[in-house]
Amino acid sequence: DVKVTQSSRYLVKRTGEKVFLECVQDMDHENMFWYRQDPGLGLRLIYFSYDVKMKEKGDIPEGYSVSREKKERFSLILESASTNQTSMYLCASSLFEGYGYTFGSGTRLTVV
Amino acid sequence: KNQVEQSPQSLIILEGKNCTLQCNYTVSPFSNLRWYKQDTGRGPVSLTIMTFSENTKSNGRYTATLDADTKQSSLHITASQLSDSASYICVVSDKTGANNLFFGTGTRLTVIP
Repeated sequence: DVKVTQSSRYLVKRTGEKVFLECVQDMDHENMFWYRQDPGLGLRLIYFSYDVKMKEKGDIPEGYSVSREKKERFSLILESASTNQTSMYLCASSLFEGYGYTFGSGTRLTVV
Repeated sequence: KNQVEQSPQSLIILEGKNCTLQCNYTVSPFSNLRWYKQDTGRGPVSLTIMTFSENTKSNGRYTATLDADTKQSSLHITASQLSDSASYICVVSDKTGANNLFFGTGTRLTVIP
């Protein structure tokens, strides 16, 4: 069974901290994505990657960066966490563009 | 503008009853439409995926329909169970690249005994 694993279910961080959210997939998928999900706004794309060391900005990349050093791992980095980054973060991967998406269980991040 | 709208925003039904969730979209060019179920605090899990030529697809008690002419989809849940309580998200994909998913804001379904 395909799997996308996010390293933490819940995180609490202080304003100004550097935060790393890790995502690993075991399906040999080319594409990986980071979304955030907020009530009433649905899922919004932060960054995506279509290959190792490649990254593309999504709809809301400000305040975030990403790293993809290996095919199976896609990291989301909050350089200096702020309270407005409190959200649910979802990682996903897909084999083909627009098809076969699998989501991780999500990380609920609270910035205080 | 590519948009996906879902209705109702929330719904409460009695256990054992049926319900239908709606999804209207303006995404073009259309590639496929998916329904996801998302339990509280969890990631979305795919229920069905439908391409342009498919009108109906079932997954157990879940049946999705697609009318590509009117750009409407529905998700029908039969004989609801308490475990059906979740958010249901409609996602439409176009054909223009990896950044090509358009998400509805979801319908929150609560099934009560």
